[in-house]
Amino acid sequence: KAGVTQTPRYLIKTRGQQVTLSCSPISGHRSVSWYQQTPGQGLQFLFEYFSETQRNKGNFPGRFSGRQFSNSRSEMNVSTLELGDSALYLCASSLAEGPAGYTFGSGTRLTVV
Amino acid sequence: DAKTTQPTSMDCAEGRAANLPCNHSTISGNEYVYWYRQIHSQGPQYIIHGLKNNETNEMASLIITEDRKSSTLILPHATLRDTAVYYCIVIYLGLYNQGGKLIFGQGTELSVKP
Repeated sequence: KAGVTQTPRYLIKTRGQQVTLSCSPISGHRSVSWYQQTPGQGLQFLFEYFSETQRNKGNFPGRFSGRQFSNSRSEMNVSTLELGDSALYLCASSLAEGPAGYTFGSGTRLTVV
Repeated sequence: DAKTTQPTSMDCAEGRAANLPCNHSTISGNEYVYWYRQIHSQGPQYIIHGLKNNETNEMASLIITEDRKSSTLILPHATLRDTAVYYCIVIYLGLYNQGGKLIFGQGTELSVKP
């Protein structure tokens, strides 16, 4: 059974540019969540999507956005990149019901220069 | 969400049991205790979860006190590959339907030494 797949694994962007990251959840998982991990702030929740709808959002500026497609695949976009956006971006998927564990992907390492 | 408190770091000798404590004194009756670990530069990996009873799986055992205010994750025979940051998270039973926001603390950095 394939795990959560995130692409690309590594990315270098210039300040002011925008970036799109992709996440393919485990087959059958309908919920996809995104997290940002930095050395200073640790793991922080960005947002969660279910059935193409954003159900929850963390405390991040509007430059961070996302969407989910009908096949449950999700993308997140960061516009007008800042140096502080350099981080490991993690995606997690979960089953539709019950307190099932959230399965994380390996992440996308974004470096803004 | 209930907050958790974990020691910042711990050492364990290879082959010995690693016992990682977690305090969650404000946990409510409909909240589960979950444990994840993160090996350097990888995504967090699910280990085990429980509500009231002790749980065991192929990776670890989870001991929850009777008052549910604390728990201990036990890795029975730690190996070098168990070196990681271990996160204890309290998750509301209906979290999925609330738009699943996991709140990670700083976790415990476990170093397994030869």
